[in-house]
Parts: sequence; structure tokens; C-alpha cells
Amino acid sequence: EIVLTQSPATLSLSPGERATLSCRASQSISSYLAWFQQKPGQAPRLLIYDTSNRATGIPARFSGSGSGTDFTLTISSLEPEDFAVYYCQQRSNWLTFGGGTKVEIK
Amino acid sequence: QVQLQESGPGLVKPSQTLSLTCTISGGSITSGFYYWNWVRQPAGKGLEWIGRIDSSGSTNYNPSLRSRATVSVDTSKNQFSLKMNSMGAADTAVYYCARGATPGLFDHWGQGTLVTVSS
Repeated sequence: EIVLTQSPATLSLSPGERATLSCRASQSISSYLAWFQQKPGQAPRLLIYDTSNRATGIPARFSGSGSGTDFTLTISSLEPEDFAVYYCQQRSNWLTFGGGTKVEIK
Repeated sequence: QVQLQESGPGLVKPSQTLSLTCTISGGSITSGFYYWNWVRQPAGKGLEWIGRIDSSGSTNYNPSLRSRATVSVDTSKNQFSLKMNSMGAADTAVYYCARGATPGLFDHWGQGTLVTVSS
């Protein structure tokens, strides 16, 4: 099973700041990585698929990069609605999710 | 815009079988080739993929569930379903259904349904 490790567990930032979230895979997953946003009481929402492709309707402030085992989700300037938990997910070998990064208001 | 909605019992007794249904609206389950998935999330924890069925009827499951799960489709009702046997306390979670256009992608989700395993 491929294990995805997300860091940091919690990111405390202010609106307007840049957020950088990391996801590391236990073995190479090529570019088969997705990012989700989840708010309390809601289902996850697909943000990015295959490392760097924004899903339909996702603002340009969200971007993804990386390859192999190291991946990054960047939110260029945090909006109030961006404070949430973010999960990465791989589909290279079966399907697994990372443990999540909570982006909270500082 | 396709929408998914889970339904089923909120409470299941230990050792019993869970049965959940996901109803699709805004489109036909037979329109196009898609992957219909189940994902769960224990309270305060991360996400776990359970299994899927595709438009050809092929199924795949998370090996960690040791064949406890079965996913099926009922095209006449525009639904797909999950059955999971030998339920235990560790199976208490919010269960989501989700659609993907590609294996392993989840681009549309239901709102989720809480299942509690307790006697």
C-alpha cells in the first residue's frame, strides 16, 4: 500500500497569505495525485487532479506541482473560504489518501 | 449537473450487514463510461476508499477490507449500492458515494450518510 504523508498537520495563516501544503508518497506515483478540500459537515471537493490540473470551477489561486514522490498544493492568496482541511490522494497503485492538512486562521 | 445522494440505515448492529444506496439525479447511470465509488470517513479522521463499479459492471475493492464489501448497480433505479458484512465499531463512519470519469478520480460526491455500529 502506498502511504501518503501530508505536512504540516496544521497551517496557521492570515487571509491574503500564501499557503504551501506538502504531500509525500512512500514510493513513486508518477503524476497520479489529486488534492481535495473539505469543510466541516461537507463532502470533499476535488481541486486538482493528476498533479497540476484544476478541476472544473476551481479558482486559479489553487495550483499543484510535483512528480514522483513529492507534491505541493499552493494557494497563492488565501480567501476566507479557503480555511479548511486539505487531503491528497493517489491513484497509481490502488487508492489511498493522506492524513490531511488543516489550514486555519491565524 | 449530476447529483448523488446516499441513503440507508443510520444504525447497524455489530456483526450485521450494512446496505447503502446511492441515487443519481441529473443524469443516467448508463450515460457515458464512469466509475461509481464508495468512500468512508470516521469522525475526525481521514478518508478511506472502499470499492467501485464501472459502467461495464467490473468491480474493484480495497484489499484491506478483506472481501467484506460488495458494490452493485441497479440501472432501472439509477442507483448503485454497497453491502458490507460483519460490521464492527471500527466501521462507524460517514459513508460517501462518488463518481469518477477516470479510475481513481472522484469528481462528484454525495453529501454523505453517517452509519453508527452499535448494539
